[in-house]
Amino acid sequence: KAGVTQTPRYLIKTRGQQVTLSCSPISGHRSVSWYQQTPGQGLQFLFEYFSETQRNKGNFPGRFSGRQFSNSRSEMNVSTLELGDSALYLCASSLYDNPRREKLFFGSGTQLSVL
Amino acid sequence: AQSVTQPDIHITVSEGASLELRCNYSYGATPYLFWYVQSPGQGLQLLLKYFSGDTLVQGIKGFEAEFKRSQSSFNLRKPSVHWSDAAEYFCAGPNAGNMLTFGGGTRLMVKP
Repeated sequence: KAGVTQTPRYLIKTRGQQVTLSCSPISGHRSVSWYQQTPGQGLQFLFEYFSETQRNKGNFPGRFSGRQFSNSRSEMNVSTLELGDSALYLCASSLYDNPRREKLFFGSGTQLSVL
Repeated sequence: AQSVTQPDIHITVSEGASLELRCNYSYGATPYLFWYVQSPGQGLQLLLKYFSGDTLVQGIKGFEAEFKRSQSSFNLRKPSVHWSDAAEYFCAGPNAGNMLTFGGGTRLMVKP
């Protein structure tokens, strides 16, 4: 069974641009969560989706948005990029709709650099 | 408020020595607690989880963790560390909003 796939693996953008990151969960998993990882802030929760519905959202500005499709694939979008958005963005999937209790399967992440 | 804390940012142990990584939580009810490991440039992999019942939990790669309610701790242990255990370790549990939150991580270095 294939794991969680995140594309692209690396991305370089400039300030003011927007970016879209993609996550394909493990087959059969309907819950997808996104995390931002930086050396200073650690792992910060962004959003959680289940069956195309956003269940929870972390404390991030409105420039960060996401969505989930009917095949459970998810995308996150960051508009008007800032230097501080440089981070490793991790996607995790789980089988059920309660990621707080379930084992999360993580992708390898997308490393975003904003210049 | 941070609900899961890892007091040690870095820990260095010699290969073959025992290991204990600390994790403290603040949560009213019995929490769901996890330990994850992250190798450089990779995502996180679950080592073990605690939901209820036996307070000593066995995980993969020879790791175990003990839930101690009286100390609000969920420390990760391994009796003999291997060089391949060098990685960053994250404790995770619910926050006040009942969302999964991660501790700041502990980077483990293994001396030959």
